[in-house]
Amino acid sequence: AQKITQTQPGMFVQEKEAVTLDCTYDTSDPSYGLFWYKQPSSGEMIFLIYQGSYDQQNATEGRYSLNFQKARKSANLVISASQLGDSAMYFCAMRGNFVFGPGTRLSVLP
Amino acid sequence: DGGITQSPKYLFRKEGQNVTLSCEQNLNHDAMYWYRQDPGQGLRLIYYSQIVNDFQKGDIAEGYSVSREKKESFPLTVTSAQKNPTAFYLCASSIDTSGAVYNEQFFGPGTRLTVL
Repeated sequence: AQKITQTQPGMFVQEKEAVTLDCTYDTSDPSYGLFWYKQPSSGEMIFLIYQGSYDQQNATEGRYSLNFQKARKSANLVISASQLGDSAMYFCAMRGNFVFGPGTRLSVLP
Repeated sequence: DGGITQSPKYLFRKEGQNVTLSCEQNLNHDAMYWYRQDPGQGLRLIYYSQIVNDFQKGDIAEGYSVSREKKESFPLTVTSAQKNPTAFYLCASSIDTSGAVYNEQFFGPGTRLTVL
């Protein structure tokens, strides 16, 4: 069975600094994809970034990048130059049965 | 504009009543999903459908029912058998559930159900 673990229930970061949100996963599938979503207080789920298991390079999308370490089964999200609008819940998810982790609440401090 | 609509945004029902949550998409996606989210928690899969007239149970299907009579619509009924129905419900769709590994889910705005 697929499983996603996010060990940080809450994180604080100073505005303009970088922050890393952890995600580890467990799967026996040789081919898989990992997604990160942002959920503001409004409740909508916003797609941020995707990493395929066979991708040779770590994914990047603007201020978001993914630190993918396949051997360690980790796919950590890095947000550079944090902004106040980044305050939200962040979920790591796996393609397949669309398993979601429990989420990390990020708070950006002015 | 293509996307997913869920209505209503807020829904109140008395205990013991069935209630149906609407989900419509105009993205021409084959696959649709229903998730439940409790406060401070992640998403849990209730049901998903890969194609019209077919659907599969997710991790927490008990007390819920769905139908998929049209490609664009996937309504969820919360029955009186669901012991704790108060939650935030999210509908999503994707091109399909198989094939390419990259298969992003697009989410609706959600319906917050409160059972009194």
